[in-house]
Amino acid sequence: DGGITQSPKYLFRKEGQNVTLSCEQNLNHDAMYWYRQDPGQGLRLIYYSQIVNDFQKGDIAEGYSVSREKKESFPLTVTSAQKNPTAFYLCATRQGSGNQPQHFGDGTRLSIL
Amino acid sequence: GESVGLHLPTLSVQEGDNSIINCAYSNSASDYFIWYKQESGKGPQFIIDIRSNMDKRQGQRVTVLLNKTVKHLSLQIAATQPGDSAVYFCAEFLPFNDYKLSFGAGTTVTVRA
Repeated sequence: DGGITQSPKYLFRKEGQNVTLSCEQNLNHDAMYWYRQDPGQGLRLIYYSQIVNDFQKGDIAEGYSVSREKKESFPLTVTSAQKNPTAFYLCATRQGSGNQPQHFGDGTRLSIL
Repeated sequence: GESVGLHLPTLSVQEGDNSIINCAYSNSASDYFIWYKQESGKGPQFIIDIRSNMDKRQGQRVTVLLNKTVKHLSLQIAATQPGDSAVYFCAEFLPFNDYKLSFGAGTTVTVRA
């Protein structure tokens, strides 16, 4: 989706290191989401934010942290507490409330060195 | 756990034939459903959505059918093309749970030439 930019596309993490994945959007969408995708599986929700300066844990928040200081930005930090961080991470946004689709970026693939 | 599932993890289709991808959901209160297409190394792309007050919705070469009685939806792709090879996800909108999406594990569609 051209309005959602995730960077970097590939990221490597050393043991004990925190890494931050970037998600920027120019769609003026209120809600933003972070998902984790493992091979052959669906998407699992890590964190989400419906307005600036507010966010909620998803189903698998342990070992991750987020911030939402600006409407257009929702960075995800994978901390050293996340023992199995290797996965494909997807950021999504949604306009307004109610029945609206989420739109996705092209993901960041995180691997362990 | 997931409330949305797909009947088959893989589907092989001859080019030019029609494809049917099935999905079952378990929450009777869900009122909005989305189909996504995910190509290798990319984020999910919105294909089509349907609200619970509809039984059928058509797009370009795609049709989504919703059967609320048995909590089942399907995605039909007409005249399948090589570019349709991808993983297809259905997603269920959870209005009673902060409007989050619940994703199935996906069906991998392979188009044979």
